Amino acid sequence: QVQLVESGGGVVQPGRSLRLSCAASGFPFSGYAMHWVRQVPGKGPEWVGFIWFDGSNQDYADSVKGRFTISRDNSKNTLYLQMNSLRDEDTAVYHCARGVENVVGDIFDYWGLGTLVTVSS
Amino acid sequence: EIVLTQSPGTLSLSPGDRATLFCRASQSVTTYVAWYQQKPGQAPRLLIEGASTRAIGIPGRFSGSGSGTDFTLTINRLEPEDFAVYYCQQYANTSPYTFGQGTKLEIK
Repeated sequence: QVQLVESGGGVVQPGRSLRLSCAASGFPFSGYAMHWVRQVPGKGPEWVGFIWFDGSNQDYADSVKGRFTISRDNSKNTLYLQMNSLRDEDTAVYHCARGVENVVGDIFDYWGLGTLVTVSS
Repeated sequence: EIVLTQSPGTLSLSPGDRATLFCRASQSVTTYVAWYQQKPGQAPRLLIEGASTRAIGIPGRFSGSGSGTDFTLTINRLEPEDFAVYYCQQYANTSPYTFGQGTKLEIK
């Protein structure tokens, strides 16, 4: 069965960096776009960004553009989120999600449980 | 950015009731809307895509409708496991993808 397991979260000071990982299994990872979505407890999800199946293209939310970078290693079935220059407002649970193309854009058919990132001094 | 507004914020119903949840988009998204269910401590679960198509394995008591800017998720004959938070998402404009703020369906 499809499994997505995030790791790498923790407490980090403002301005510092953190790298999250998402280990995928149960499906042909290299055939799917992958997304990062974050969620502040009690609020709606916020899309962070995505990467094409082959890693050749990415796009990001304006709130993280220039600070966050998504990459993937298809040989390791792993997705990454490099987060630099972290801010208080980046505090959230970070989920990875599998993207499935639906005509004009992706729906997110499987999500991981997420990893908590807390930015605090 | 397309803003999605969900209503009501909280819906209090009893098992066996029908739940009607709404999602309004700030501009037309045609039928490119998905609905997700999230329970505490769990990942979101895809329920509906294309405004009205149930995802694989989703029970028939869940149905979606709407087009343009107004969408509805209906849950007939509520089961105890249906009490959760529900989110709509649009994918008509993918930069960025956006979600609603959620409707909490709680037991009355």
